[in-house]
Amino acid sequence: KAGVTQTPRYLIKTRGQQVTLSCSPISGHRSVSWYQQTPGQGLQFLFEYFSETQRNKGNFPGRFSGRQFSNSRSEMNVSTLELGDSALYLCASSPRGGRGTDTQYFGPGTRLTVL
Amino acid sequence: DQQVKQNSPSLSVQEGRISILNCDYTNSMFDYFLWYKKYPAEGPTFLISISSIKDKNEDGRFTVFLNKSAKHLSLHIVPSQPGDSAVYFCAASGDGAGANNLFFGTGTRLTVIP
Repeated sequence: KAGVTQTPRYLIKTRGQQVTLSCSPISGHRSVSWYQQTPGQGLQFLFEYFSETQRNKGNFPGRFSGRQFSNSRSEMNVSTLELGDSALYLCASSPRGGRGTDTQYFGPGTRLTVL
Repeated sequence: DQQVKQNSPSLSVQEGRISILNCDYTNSMFDYFLWYKKYPAEGPTFLISISSIKDKNEDGRFTVFLNKSAKHLSLHIVPSQPGDSAVYFCAASGDGAGANNLFFGTGTRLTVIP
């Protein structure tokens, strides 16, 4: 079974621009979660989508948004980019999501650099 | 507010010996715990998990121990191999923490010396 894929792998943007990142979950997985990893803050939860609905959201500003399509693929959008948005953005999929006993499997991440 | 803490940023161990990585948590609602291994420029790879109804789970060279009263878990790797050198993250989730929201520790960099 193919793993979680994320595109693009690397991205360079300038302040004020917007960016869209894409994630394809493992086949059959319906839950997709997004995380931000920075050296100072570690891995932080952004949001989770299940059956095209955002089910849970972390403590990030409204500039961070996402969506999920009927095939479970997900996109994450960041508008009005700030220097502090430079990070590794990780997507994880799990079969059902929901209660915590559902293991999440991560993609390789998208490295976003904001200049 | 860091709900999952890994207080040792790094650990060095000789090949063949035991590696013990520790993790503490503060949220008593957490009931599922996971360990992930991460190489540079890659996403975390799931290693092993444990539900709060157990106090030990073993998978090959990897064993996770959970002490709920102390809100502490540990990952034992025996014997350690050079290929185990990576950053290890513990993560937790559960009711009250938000469905499918994993809270991660800041990671411990393990170096296994040949």
